[in-house]
Amino acid sequence: SQQGEEDPQALSIQEGENATMNCSYKTSINNLQWYRQNSGRGLVHLILIRSNEREKHSGRLRVTLDTSKKSSSLLITASRAADTASYFCATLPQRGGSNYKLTFGKGTLLTVNP
Amino acid sequence: EAGVAQSPRYKIIEKRQSVAFWCNPISGHATLYWYQQILGQGPKLLIQFQNNGVVDDSQLPKDRFSAERLKGVDSTLKIQPAKLEDSAVYLCASRPSSGRGTDTQYFGPGTRLTVL
Repeated sequence: SQQGEEDPQALSIQEGENATMNCSYKTSINNLQWYRQNSGRGLVHLILIRSNEREKHSGRLRVTLDTSKKSSSLLITASRAADTASYFCATLPQRGGSNYKLTFGKGTLLTVNP
Repeated sequence: EAGVAQSPRYKIIEKRQSVAFWCNPISGHATLYWYQQILGQGPKLLIQFQNNGVVDDSQLPKDRFSAERLKGVDSTLKIQPAKLEDSAVYLCASRPSSGRGTDTQYFGPGTRLTVL
């Protein structure tokens, strides 16, 4: 079953604009991760935020986490055509154990027009 | 460092035929995952290995899907017999158990399977 649900399903913007994608999840988490998938390729890890963190930055990426609302957002600033891809959030549940199992959402398809 | 390798990249088969996919994870990564990604959806975990042992195969359709990782390195995923609904991209990922990046899964390029 899908834990994370991204919103919107698709987003089209102009180069230079900012893109914001949201992710909502259902159960308590240990961490939440964002991945990017270019067409026809595998997923690439972008950034991880832990349940005790509220905001993280990496280059042009900014991730926020609100555990009370069970939601996260990914902001890409000054977007480029090369940012065109699908973006997925993935959650690791709070419960312990050796089973490090991520659950992925359905993704947001971002199109950046030159 | 070489990434996760998968082959073949594309496969087209008729329904009821058999197919096998191969994955070679990043050297030293003890954990290996197989995911199924249907068009328009996120990856769904099929099976997780820790070295050569199965950690989680709760979502693997065991009547037709099988996977092995005999020497704790590379892995194969087999479908026998295939159904139309098996058309998807099959992704392999690996994760280190120690050192840097233990929270990150590293994905291969995937195998796109079309069942006709």
